[in-house]
Amino acid sequence: GAGVSQSPRYKVAKRGQDVALRCDPISGHVSLFWYQQALGQGPEFLTYFQNEAQLDKSGLPSDRFFAERPEGSVSTLKIQRTQQEDSAVYLCASSLAPQGNTEAFFGQGTRLTVV
Amino acid sequence: AQSVTQLDSQVPVFEEAPVELRCNYSSSVSVYLFWYVQYPNQGLQLLLKYLSGSTLVKGINGFEAEFNKSQTSFHLRKPSVHISDTAEYFCAVKARGGSYIPTFGRGTSLIVHP
Repeated sequence: GAGVSQSPRYKVAKRGQDVALRCDPISGHVSLFWYQQALGQGPEFLTYFQNEAQLDKSGLPSDRFFAERPEGSVSTLKIQRTQQEDSAVYLCASSLAPQGNTEAFFGQGTRLTVV
Repeated sequence: AQSVTQLDSQVPVFEEAPVELRCNYSSSVSVYLFWYVQYPNQGLQLLLKYLSGSTLVKGINGFEAEFNKSQTSFHLRKPSVHISDTAEYFCAVKARGGSYIPTFGRGTSLIVHP
């Protein structure tokens, strides 16, 4: 596709429910990032993939958060037993190459509301 | 590790006035620097980036930023703003080696009044 696509755009989950958020990066992009953006805050890093390898997951807030990118393209962020503090916009970004001088292209995000 | 400080959470300005959004960073290694804009309910869009060379970088929509290594700053400027520039602006930093993960500031809300 022309850009990074995320689905769903909006998700309302009851506390304790599991959710799965999908990211379709730009075709051919090696690097993929997940960020969490709370209301009025900047994006906070969650995890990073280079192709199918998850090279950094230091930002995942708890073991309820899990991400995968099994074939090096589409990625899924899964949150188990959602809690109210998980409410945020989840942003996915991809970049062509791992080198630091390549820009990251962002999707529109998934707004998760836990009630 | 790197960190970014955006000193102003909100900047109100009148249309056609100049504006500066401040960004300071901290890093033990050399960095690349970026400014992104986020319109309501949208993802982040790259405005401009500093990789190397000239310290004055020009971006889209008439924005520019100047890299100042001694002051570890990368302030964003526009000589004359429009109503349509109302948005959130984020400064980001990436290390030149090692981690390829962009670190973002908390953002500055630019509010342009008619």
